[in-house]
Amino acid sequence: EDQVTQSPEALRLQEGESSSLNCSYTVSGLRGLFWYRQDPGKGPEFLFTLYSAGEEKEKERLKATLTKKESFLHITAPKPEDSATYLCAVQAVGDYKLSFGAGTTVTVRA
Amino acid sequence: DAGITQSPRHKVTETGTPVTLRCHQTENHRYMYWYRQDPGHGLRLIHYSYGVKDTDKGEVSDGYSVSRSKTEDFLLTLESATSSQTSVYFCAIGRGVEEKLFFGSGTQLSVL
Repeated sequence: EDQVTQSPEALRLQEGESSSLNCSYTVSGLRGLFWYRQDPGKGPEFLFTLYSAGEEKEKERLKATLTKKESFLHITAPKPEDSATYLCAVQAVGDYKLSFGAGTTVTVRA
Repeated sequence: DAGITQSPRHKVTETGTPVTLRCHQTENHRYMYWYRQDPGHGLRLIHYSYGVKDTDKGEVSDGYSVSRSKTEDFLLTLESATSSQTSVYFCAIGRGVEEKLFFGSGTQLSVL
């Protein structure tokens, strides 16, 4: 069974204070690892897909990286508008579904 | 926003009553999914569809059924609601198996 564990559960940052979120996963064969952002009261919004170890993707202040066992979401010089819950999900080869982690809630204070 | 509409947005019902949640898309995507989201558990897949009248179970399907008679509509039914089914329900759509998912805004369901 696919397993996804995200840490920490919650992260409080000062504006401009860079940090990283961790997503550890166990999957029989990785088709893709996905990062989503979720704002309160809304559905998740797609950020990145990573397919193989060593791959990196960037979008504004966010950078996602992937190894064979985990993925990191780096937030560089965060702003209050980066406050959200960040969700990690994996999809196994031959599977239709995504298996999600419980998420990391990031709060950025001005 | 992707063209996904979930209805109702909020519902309060009593234990033992049937409940149907609707997901409507205007994107003509083949794949549709129902997830529930609970604190500490993240998103868990209930059922999914890979085409009209083609559906399959997810990891938490007990107590739920689905139907998809048209590409654009995916219905989730709780035959006899229980308090453990109090949750936020999200519909998602995808163009292909490896494609990113687009999520609706969710339905907050409370079963008293």
